[in-house]
Amino acid sequence: GEQVEQRPPHLSVREGDSAVITCTYTDPNSYYFFWYKQEPGASLQLLMKVFSSTEINEGQGFTVLLNKKDTRLSLNLTAAHPGDSAAYFCAVSANTGANTGKLTFGHGTILRVHP
Amino acid sequence: EAAVTQSPRNKVAVTGGKVTLSCNQTNNHNNMYWYRQDTGHGLRLIHYSYGAGSTEKGDIPDGYKASRPSQENFSLILELATPSQTSVYFCASGDGGQGFTEVFFGKGTRLTVV
Repeated sequence: GEQVEQRPPHLSVREGDSAVITCTYTDPNSYYFFWYKQEPGASLQLLMKVFSSTEINEGQGFTVLLNKKDTRLSLNLTAAHPGDSAAYFCAVSANTGANTGKLTFGHGTILRVHP
Repeated sequence: EAAVTQSPRNKVAVTGGKVTLSCNQTNNHNNMYWYRQDTGHGLRLIHYSYGAGSTEKGDIPDGYKASRPSQENFSLILELATPSQTSVYFCASGDGGQGFTEVFFGKGTRLTVV
């Protein structure tokens, strides 16, 4: 089945610096991609959902890049601030229609942004 | 915003005991899911359901059963709890329609088996 490798497991940056988290996945037919943010003791908050047809997606303070040729997905926080400190997870869905909720997650990245 | 409510939020159980984790969603979503989260593993899918009366095995179903008695409710059942099932459990729901479907997560249940 699908496997997702996420790097790095821990990331520490200074406020204002960029932070990049990368996931590689094994199923080239994967179709939907997600980035979630999880603060301590809280649930998962959807940051962005990406269709396989779109390579670059921009949100508030971050960019998601999808490289289907290399089966790689990345999250780039362009100017990190302390409020970005959290765990981040990528998730991949290799199915369509009713099965798109069956997600395979990366192992997560703990991001710390220092003032 | 979709509402997915889990109960209890925290649970301590004894080895060999039966544990039932409950999940309720008020958004009339067809699909519901149970994941567990462990350090170093991210979230892993245990069971899921396409609608009332339906349950399907996910990636790690051993030691768990699921029940979907209605559109709104989805339970995860540990008949004989073991310490290895100590984890944080997340329920999620999604509309399951054709095309893209977003999944909404509950706040999680922290289960400790002693």
